[in-house]
Formats: sequence, C-alpha cells, structure tokens
Amino acid sequence: AQSVTQPDIHITVSEGASLELRCNYSYGATPYLFWYVQSPGQGLQLLLKYFSGDTLVQGIKGFEAEFKRSQSSFNLRKPSVHWSDAAEYFCAVGGQAGTALIFGKGTTLSVSS
Amino acid sequence: DAGVIQSPRHEVTEMGQEVTLRCKPISGHDYLFWYRQTMMRGLELLIYFNNNVPIDDSGMPEDRFSAKMPNASFSTLKIQPSEPRDSAVYFCASSQAGLFYGYTFGSGTRLTVV
Repeated sequence: AQSVTQPDIHITVSEGASLELRCNYSYGATPYLFWYVQSPGQGLQLLLKYFSGDTLVQGIKGFEAEFKRSQSSFNLRKPSVHWSDAAEYFCAVGGQAGTALIFGKGTTLSVSS
Repeated sequence: DAGVIQSPRHEVTEMGQEVTLRCKPISGHDYLFWYRQTMMRGLELLIYFNNNVPIDDSGMPEDRFSAKMPNASFSTLKIQPSEPRDSAVYFCASSQAGLFYGYTFGSGTRLTVV
C-alpha cells in the first residue's frame, strides 16, 4: 500500500537550533517526494521536491531534504530555526504524472525562545 | 496570478442542508484536486480531475458527495445532505503537468455542520 509516515506529531525546537523532521514512505514505483508547510488558517505551500538526481535538495526558506532510497526516507532539515518557522509540515509522495499526492499526517513545529 | 481561489472561506450549515464549495484553479493548470483535512485523518484525497475529466473519485466518502468541473476555470464540491461528520477544512489544489511543479493550494473552506 502507498503511504507516508511522519513519526513525530509535535516537535519543539529552540530558536537558532537545528531541525530535522522525519518522513518515511511506502510506494511501489519511483517516488516523487515533496515537503509542504501550512501556517494556521492557510493553505499548503511547497517547500521543496525531489524527482531524481542529487539526493540532497534545497528548498525555500533555507530548508533542505535528503532522499535515502535504502531507508525509504525523505527527512527535512534546517540548520537554524527561526520563530517564523512555527507551522505544520507535511511530507507527500506521488508517482508519474496522472497520479495524486499522498500526504502524511503532518508534524507540528513549535519554536521556543 | 491570484492563485487558487476557494469560496466561501467559512461555511456553517445545519445538518441535512446542501453545501456547495467552489474552486477556481490557476489559469493553464490542467489538474485539479479536492482534499479534506481533519485532525483525525489528516489530508485525504477526495477526487481529482485532468482536463476537466474526473480521473479518480475513490476517495469520495459516499454518495452524498459529488464534484463537477464544467470548464477549466471552475469546479464545485457538493454535499447533500450534509452531516456533522462532514465538518472539516476542504482544500482545492491545481497543478500543471501533473506532479512536476507540485500543487498550488487554495486557502481552504472551513465547513461546520451543526
């Protein structure tokens, strides 16, 4: 079955500290992987995506993610978190054009001062 | 571009009433998706269209839900009759060329059925 697991429901990080949000996927074909961010009352905004090639991808707002096929993972990282990064983060997986994205249940990030 | 536009932003209705949610995708996008977001189930795909044709509606909960896309610039999601368990945030998203550019999401419609 195709699925996305985000093991951490809620994470609290101090401002300025590093961040890693975990994502594991199960997908029968070559996966296309995405991270989205959702601020309260807003829609989802694309942070970054991985299709092929270099397994470390850079996104907006200083985020990056690393694809590890052997671990079926696509973890999101940021070296120094800002208070404005507090939001909910969603990992998603899809296949070729013509398929829809499957989303994880999200990880809520809180940033403490 | 104004992005994906959803209306209304908030809807409160009584159980048994018909509810219609509306979505205007980004011009030129050939895919349109409807998702439902709840605390318990997260983001669930309800249905998606390609070039105005429904491709997969297996996520539509039951016959009370229906979706249409009469043209490239408009889609509706209708619930008739509505029930309290339909309370959720409903998102519309559109994309160009499938997944390659990712999806652009609207701001959502928060539906409350009392």
